[in-house]
Amino acid sequence: GESVGLHLPTLSVQEGDNSIINCAYSNSASDYFIWYKQESGKGPQFIIDIRSNMDKRQGQRVTVLLNKTVKHLSLQIAATQPGDSAVYFCAENPNGGSQGNLIFGKGTKLSVKP
Amino acid sequence: DTAVSQTPKYLVTQMGNDKSIKCEQNLGHDTMYWYKQDSKKFLKIMFSYNNKELIINETVPNRFSPKSPDKAHLNLHINSLELGDSAVYFCASSPRRAGTNEKLFFGSGTQLSVL
Repeated sequence: GESVGLHLPTLSVQEGDNSIINCAYSNSASDYFIWYKQESGKGPQFIIDIRSNMDKRQGQRVTVLLNKTVKHLSLQIAATQPGDSAVYFCAENPNGGSQGNLIFGKGTKLSVKP
Repeated sequence: DTAVSQTPKYLVTQMGNDKSIKCEQNLGHDTMYWYKQDSKKFLKIMFSYNNKELIINETVPNRFSPKSPDKAHLNLHINSLELGDSAVYFCASSPRRAGTNEKLFFGSGTQLSVL
C-alpha cells in the first residue's frame, strides 16, 4: 500500500459530539468489512462488521455505512467518550470469506477532548 | 482467561540473533495468523494456518518461519534478525468454519526492537 507519511490521519472531537471516521477500500469484489479499534499498547479489537448486501448496520453507539458505488466505508460513533480515543482501522475481505485474509486500511487516530 | 495470548510482550535483541514469539488461543478456533504492524501503524498479514496447515504465506523473508504444533498454537521464529524487523507482531485467530463470520481476535502484540 501507499505510505501515508509520518503521521496517522487524526480526528479530534469534543466529548459528547458525534465522530465520523472514513475509509476508502480498494477491491470492488470485497464482500465483508470490519472496523477495529486499537488502544495504545493493545491489539485491535472488533467493533462492528457489515456484509456487502447491506448498506448500514448499527451497534451500540456505533453505525457503519457502506457505499459500494464509491467503495467507501464509514464508522459513526455517537456521543463520543474519552474511552473512544484510539486508532481505528477498517478492513476488507477480498476473498468472500474463503481465506480470511483481511486487508487493513491505514488507520485514523481519534482524539477525544474532555 | 485471555483468549489470544502471545509472549513475550517486549523483545529487545541484537542484529543477527534468532528469536521466537509464541502464541496460544483458547477459543477453539481453527485458524491462526501472524500480522506485522510497522511504525506507521500499518497492519499487514504475514502467515495464516488452518488446523496446522499453512494457507497464507505473504511475501515474507524466509528468515521468518511459523510453526503450528497444534491448532491452538502458532509460533513465529525469526532467524538472523535485521533492523527492519523492528515492529509490533500480532497473533490472531478466527473460527473460519464455512458459513461463520470472519472476524479476527487479536493478541496484545509483541514489540520487537532490533538494535
